[in-house]
Amino acid sequence: QSALTQPASVSGSPGQSITISCTGTSSGVGGYNYVSWYQQYPGKAPKLMIYGVSNRPSGVSNRFSGSKSGNTASLTISGLQAEDEADYYCSSYTSSSTLVFGGGTKLTVL
Amino acid sequence: QVQLQESGPGLVKPSETLSLTCTVSGSSISSAYYWGWIRQPPGKGLEWLATIYHSGSTSYNPSLKSRVSISVDTSKNQFSLKLSSVTAADTAVYYCARVDPWFFDYWGQGTLVTVSS
Repeated sequence: QSALTQPASVSGSPGQSITISCTGTSSGVGGYNYVSWYQQYPGKAPKLMIYGVSNRPSGVSNRFSGSKSGNTASLTISGLQAEDEADYYCSSYTSSSTLVFGGGTKLTVL
Repeated sequence: QVQLQESGPGLVKPSETLSLTCTVSGSSISSAYYWGWIRQPPGKGLEWLATIYHSGSTSYNPSLKSRVSISVDTSKNQFSLKLSSVTAADTAVYYCARVDPWFFDYWGQGTLVTVSS
């Protein structure tokens, strides 16, 4: 199965908003509301930031939000902070009862 | 508090079988969750490997299906991964995680497995 498509890198200045896209197919991202997003710092395990396309786990800042349109899901981070600089990965359930990750996006806070 | 801890050899020889165990605390492995393995080669992205339910129902990454096996031991609150015929390309940090269908809500800290003679 092919990985979901994410931009390799995005950047933004403190206080700005950025959006990371995650493109799949109609048998994955487009067919189910099972898209999740993870934040990963170097040398650390990933942390769940968004599940079910747009739900935030307890303790995750409301500056993080998720959405989906067709076969593309998006993660938006508003009020960018230095601590948001990390790698971000999307994931989706597929019609083959499998899970797939995106290639990852490196967020740089300028 | 849910915690997961990977354990197993940090070095495996080419062509041998990689075996890892994940010990779960704070959550019964027989509860209504799935359990899974994910890996990350050095400097690269995440790759889902396999998922299992306590009943034994499994799902595997098609690209590895012929080499990977996941199992669960409810008596020890553990689940395990076996990856056969390993090569240098299987060198990675291996994570175990709880799967609340279908997202990974709790992760282990990860364990680096190097394939080398």
